[in-house]
Amino acid sequence: AAGVIQSPRHLIKEKRETATLKCYPIPRHDTVYWYQQGPGQDPQFLISFYEKMQSDKGSIPDRFSAQQFSDYHSELNMSSLELGDSALYFCASSPTVGLALSRETQYFGPGTRLLVL
Amino acid sequence: AQSVTQLGSHVSVSEGALVLLRCNYSSSVPPYLFWYVQYPNQGLQLLLKYTSAATLVKGINGFEAEFKKSETSFHLTKPSAHMSDAAEYFCAVTVGGGNKLTFGTGTQLKVEL
Repeated sequence: AAGVIQSPRHLIKEKRETATLKCYPIPRHDTVYWYQQGPGQDPQFLISFYEKMQSDKGSIPDRFSAQQFSDYHSELNMSSLELGDSALYFCASSPTVGLALSRETQYFGPGTRLLVL
Repeated sequence: AQSVTQLGSHVSVSEGALVLLRCNYSSSVPPYLFWYVQYPNQGLQLLLKYTSAATLVKGINGFEAEFKKSETSFHLTKPSAHMSDAAEYFCAVTVGGGNKLTFGTGTQLKVEL
């Protein structure tokens, strides 16, 4: 079965550089979520999109922005990178059945490991 | 705000022994609860979820969890541990109307021969 695709899988950047992470949800999934998992930490919710509109926002720094495109893929743009941004970034997707978003399973991609030097 | 607490950041069991990973939730409204497993350098895989139907939920790989409202718990169990169960396990919660997962701090399960 098709899974969530994330690219790149690994990324090395210097401080103050920018990075773009891409996420391709499972076909027919219209909701995309982004999470950040620091070393030894639990995943923290950043932001989510439903039908190309932002649906919820978590602890996402102002230096980060994200969007969902007409084909439902999403991109997380990160600027002025800091050492503390080094983490595993997960994208997840879910279908929408009615309005019960919160009970739907979120299917996670393999993650993008970002290292900021 | 809703949250989950996982007791024990590290749990070690012998192969064939019972696995019990603890999760307690805090929510002022009925929660939806999830258990995810993360193998090294991999993404998160759903084991099972509770969405207010049956309180005993069966998942993949022989895992199950029971929702106990009186104890605000959703502990994960497996009757007989296998070496392949060694991984990190996360309990997570969403609350009706919201769709973001709030994770516990995780429990690293070690299975010994």
